[in-house]
Amino acid sequence: AQTVTQSQPEMSVQEAETVTLSCTYDTSESDYYLFWYKQPPSRQMILVIRQEAYKQQNATENRFSVNFQKAAKSFSLKISDSQLGDAAMYFCAYNNAGNMLTFGGGTRLMVKP
Amino acid sequence: DAGITQSPRHKVTETGTPVTLRCHQTENHRYMYWYRQDPGHGLRLIHYSYGVKDTDKGEVSDGYSVSRSKTEDFLLTLESATSSQTSVYFCAISDVITSGANVLTFGAGSRLTVL
Repeated sequence: AQTVTQSQPEMSVQEAETVTLSCTYDTSESDYYLFWYKQPPSRQMILVIRQEAYKQQNATENRFSVNFQKAAKSFSLKISDSQLGDAAMYFCAYNNAGNMLTFGGGTRLMVKP
Repeated sequence: DAGITQSPRHKVTETGTPVTLRCHQTENHRYMYWYRQDPGHGLRLIHYSYGVKDTDKGEVSDGYSVSRSKTEDFLLTLESATSSQTSVYFCAISDVITSGANVLTFGAGSRLTVL
């Protein structure tokens, strides 16, 4: 079974600074997909970014980018120019191109003004 | 919420009572899922459906049953609620896997408290 681990229960960052959230996963598959979801206080789950394992290039979405290290099974999220609205729970998730998404335990990000 | 509605949004019930949560979608997506969210565990899959009357178990299915009699509705039932089922429940949908990236869209969540 696949497992996803987020080793940082909480992180904080100063507004306008950069922060990196860590995620590692365990799988024997070679073809899979990785995601970062954001959950603000409203509780809504919002897709931030996704990465296909067969792509070597790291995905980027505006201020959000990932560092995908396939051999190390690592998938970190970098948030640049942090904003107050970035404060939320962030979940890393894994999908093996099947029907199920496996989530990590989450990292709570606090943004200090 | 991309056409996903969960009801009720909040419910308080007593141990031993039956509870049904409803997920309704207007997207005509094939796949529907029920997750529960608990502190430190992220979201864990309870059951999912890949079509009308087609369902399968997830990681934490004990104590839960589901039904899908129509494409748009996916019901989660707790036959006899226990305090360990106090949680926030999320419904999610996704369409037929074409590219292989099964991107889920989530509902707003239903908070269930079992006293």
